[in-house]
Amino acid sequence: DAGVTQSPTHLIKTRGQQVTLRCSPKSGHDTVSWYQQALGQGPQFIFQYYEEEERQRGNFPDRFSGHQFPNYSSEPNVNALLLGDSALYLCASSLASPDTQYFGPGTRLTVL
Amino acid sequence: GQQLNQSPQSMFIQEGEDVSMNCTSSSIFNTWLWYKQEPGEGPVLLIALYKAGELTSNGRLTAQFGITRKDSFLNISASIPSDVGIYFCAGVTGGGNKLTFGTGTQLKVEL
Repeated sequence: DAGVTQSPTHLIKTRGQQVTLRCSPKSGHDTVSWYQQALGQGPQFIFQYYEEEERQRGNFPDRFSGHQFPNYSSEPNVNALLLGDSALYLCASSLASPDTQYFGPGTRLTVL
Repeated sequence: GQQLNQSPQSMFIQEGEDVSMNCTSSSIFNTWLWYKQEPGEGPVLLIALYKAGELTSNGRLTAQFGITRKDSFLNISASIPSDVGIYFCAGVTGGGNKLTFGTGTQLKVEL
């Protein structure tokens, strides 16, 4: 039973560029959530996808957008990258209910 | 963004000692989760709590959902070197699956 997978593991971009992240949820899960974790802090909720739509959103600008595909995988995009976007981006999958979320290993994004 | 308050921020203990940490919030949560994160990896779920007052164990770990629904506690008994890592609490409010994380407690175990 495969857990949550994310790719790539590391990314280096420059300011102003765009980045796309990828996540495949745990088998049987239909909901994908994304979190940003800055160094030394707890993860912060970005948004959540269910039935191919954004169901809930945290306090992040419109530069952060994404998709969920029919196979429940998800690809968020971040446009016009800023230095402050450097962080570990975590994908978590769950069923629509209950609330327990399982995390992938993350993608480390560095913006230069 | 909002983060829950965890204490202590870090602790350095001897192998074999028991460890206690807690998480508090000004808001009520319907679910409390405890995760452990090691360097370069995603958080790993340790314990999930769904009802106020609930006490749940997972091996040497025991967690409790506070009666007020504004706090939670995690205890680790007889710590071992592989317990090293950062422990995060996370709360879930009703009506959504968004996790609000704590500030983390870093645990270091001395042999």
